[in-house]
Amino acid sequence: TQLLEQSPQFLSIQEGENLTVYCNSSSVFSSLQWYRQEPGEGPVLLVTVVTGGEVKKLKRLTFQFGDARKDSSLHITAAQTGDTGLYLCAVNTDKLIFGTGTRLQVFP
Amino acid sequence: DAGVIQSPRHEVTEMGQEVTLRCKPISGHNSLFWYRQTMMRGLELLIYFNNNVPIDDSGMPEDRFSAKMPNASFSTLKIQPSEPRDSAVYFCASRGQDSTDTQYFGPGTRLTVL
Repeated sequence: TQLLEQSPQFLSIQEGENLTVYCNSSSVFSSLQWYRQEPGEGPVLLVTVVTGGEVKKLKRLTFQFGDARKDSSLHITAAQTGDTGLYLCAVNTDKLIFGTGTRLQVFP
Repeated sequence: DAGVIQSPRHEVTEMGQEVTLRCKPISGHNSLFWYRQTMMRGLELLIYFNNNVPIDDSGMPEDRFSAKMPNASFSTLKIQPSEPRDSAVYFCASRGQDSTDTQYFGPGTRLTVL
């Protein structure tokens, strides 16, 4: 059983569309991180959310931490081909535990 | 800063051979992590070091895997003997002094065992 379940597993959309991906758990966390991994590279940290209900924006990306700090979502507005990649949520308990990932493909 | 450096970037070997993967962490970072990524299992932590000392190796799959960190600027992950099911991308990451600091990942080594 995975600690962090992400959905959907795969997502294929066209440029300009909006999308939301989810990270869910039955456990409560003090913080949660989102990473993006592009083909042939390692994951890169996008954001850390700490407070229940917290919303953070990074250009066209909006991250939200659930009120109960058990889940999180990532919303991308007007997706671009450069958004293509694997999106991973993770919790940092001295060591990082990663979610199952959402593989996003944005077509021109 | 050059970031985390891993070598080789690609390795193709035959079953039974010894494989050694190398990592140079970011200068000044005192924690180093080895991960394995496959389509089936995602990104898994194998082992991590703090100040060159192994802290948690519970993710190491079996005795064929071993990792060392002889000094603050170098670590190796060795597989002996290698098996086809070891084929994966292996990542090294390093982190600064605080456990809440960001982990920085290397570009990975793609290992194929035939």
